[in-house]
Amino acid sequence: QQQVKQSPQSLIVQKGGISIINCAYENTAFDYFPWYQQFPGKGPALLIAIRPDVSEKKEGRFTISFNKSAKQFSLHIMDSQPGDSATYFCAAIKKGAQKLVFGQGTRLTINP
Amino acid sequence: DVKVTQSSRYLVKRTGEKVFLECVQDMDHENMFWYRQDPGLGLRLIYFSYDVKMKEKGDIPEGYSVSREKKERFSLILESASTNQTSMYLCASSVPGANVLTFGAGSRLTVL
Repeated sequence: QQQVKQSPQSLIVQKGGISIINCAYENTAFDYFPWYQQFPGKGPALLIAIRPDVSEKKEGRFTISFNKSAKQFSLHIMDSQPGDSATYFCAAIKKGAQKLVFGQGTRLTINP
Repeated sequence: DVKVTQSSRYLVKRTGEKVFLECVQDMDHENMFWYRQDPGLGLRLIYFSYDVKMKEKGDIPEGYSVSREKKERFSLILESASTNQTSMYLCASSVPGANVLTFGAGSRLTVL
């Protein structure tokens, strides 16, 4: 059962543009929503995360927007750079749980 | 630099062979995980261990088993490899309640 749905599966953005990746979840018990970034040949690494008590979190060019009522959250990458080309995974976890539930992943390509 | 090490980056095995994937972490983490990564399917949890000799099935445990004899080492075993087990396998570890996974670089397994 896929509890976190991520879209699009692949995305191509021009350098300097805004990259947007969307995720939707079903389980209202989720209370922590991280994004992981994976470069080719590497394992995923935590990029940024948010809890549902805030609607937005920004770290540099990366912003998570969170809509609790719609059960959706998204990653925005401002001024996208070729070095941002990677696969991005959204995830969710319930309070007190030990296992993250991951989305399907988005392969992002930033064209120079 | 703390890390999760997967000893085999690339393996090619024949159908029916027994396959061992090894993972070692040097962070003294209690939790260890094995995920499978396939395009369009994201990261799917195979097995999870929260302590030495303890294990819990994930979402897709069929055809796999695990072993955790020491805290730092978590092994994934394919008793009789099949072609549909051709995939990228990712090991991860975490501290209970920390919600942050540290991943290894992955082991790409091809079953012929």
